[in-house]
Parts: sequence; structure tokens; C-alpha cells
Amino acid sequence: GAVVSQHPSRVICKSGTSVKIECRSLDFQATTMFWYRQFPKQSLMLMATSNEGSKATYEQGVEKDKFLINHASLTLSTLTVTSAHPEDSSFYICSAVGLADYEQYFGPGTRLTVT
Amino acid sequence: GENVEQHPSTLSVQEGDSAVIKCTYSDSASNYFPWYKQELGKRPQLIIDIRSNVGEKKDQRIAVTLNKTAKHFSLHITETQPEDSAVYFCAANSPSGTYKYIFGTGTRLKVLA
Repeated sequence: GAVVSQHPSRVICKSGTSVKIECRSLDFQATTMFWYRQFPKQSLMLMATSNEGSKATYEQGVEKDKFLINHASLTLSTLTVTSAHPEDSSFYICSAVGLADYEQYFGPGTRLTVT
Repeated sequence: GENVEQHPSTLSVQEGDSAVIKCTYSDSASNYFPWYKQELGKRPQLIIDIRSNVGEKKDQRIAVTLNKTAKHFSLHITETQPEDSAVYFCAANSPSGTYKYIFGTGTRLKVLA
């Protein structure tokens, strides 16, 4: 149980375009999901907390107008990178809070390359 | 805000030896400390966790210890195997946000056969 999927696993887009990444909890409901960004050989950096039915909470330094988050249902959160630039190229990972308190279950990640 | 420091950044051990990774957190209100293993290009996988009401937890070759007074927690891997080679991250939950984690900077463990 507690499976989280992400789609797509890899995406290449041109500079200036927007990209949507989906995060789904497949076998449980998640009122809270998190979006992380990970650069090569670095740690996971929390970008925002996605709460079902309410606005996302962004970490300091993360532009909410650039990284749009929507958590429309208890099993789906989406991250849209708007007007992507090469510096947005990164590994984006989501997680969802599971049935046990505190534990986060991670998605497989999405590798975004902006050319 | 909460800060988590992790040492060492890289660690090489001979197969069969033990490996120890240490983390320090800043907010004494943190009460949940998971450890994750991440292989290249893959998702982080929870390998063990500990809550603040426990001082030590063990699962086969893996153990975690917690010193609340010093705000330290450590991961111990015994009888290391080549498949233990990966990046390990510690984390502490952030009291400012339910279920939110602050991650350490990671330790790249290499087990030499």
C-alpha cells in the first residue's frame, strides 16, 4: 500500500513554455502533499506544501506565480512550471502524507530538462 | 527555522564494516526523525524512523539512535554490503508545519567490495 505515482517521469521542453507534473496517491487519500526540487548531488529542497481544497504554502524564495500548485482532490496534486527556463531544469519529487502519522511517501520523481 | 546538519558528506567503508552517519537538528520541538536511502535517479526510500519518545530502534542491520538532549540522531549500518551504496538523508519534522520535513544535506555511502 501507500503508492505515489508521478507523471511524466521525464520531460523536455523549450524555454518559455509551461510544463505540468502530476502527483497521485494511488491507494490512499492524501490531504497533504509536498513538492520538492533536487539538483544533482544535492539534498531535497522543499518548494511548497499542497493542501487539498486550499492554497498551497510556499517556502521562502519559491515564486508562487512561477510554480503553480493545484490540489483539487484527495489523490491528485499538480505542479505547473510556468515560462520555464534552463535554470528550472531539475528533478522534481512529490510526496504524500500516508495513513500513519508523519510518514511521507515519495513519488518516483520527474526529471525536467528545459532547452 | 528548523535546520538539520548531516555528516559526513561522503563515507567509504569496506564490505562487512559498519557505517555511521550523524545528524543534528535545531528545533527541540521536532519529534519525528526518518532516514531515507536514495539511489541515483530514484525516489527516496524510508529505511528506518524514530520518534522522540524512543532512544533507539533497530531493524536487522540498521539502527537509529536519538539523543534528545543533545539534539543528535545517528544511523548505524552494520555488516555493510555493496548494495548499501547510495545516498542517505536524515530528516526532522518541522514543528511549524504538520508532516513537513527538513532534510539533511545527504551522505554518499560507498561500500567497497
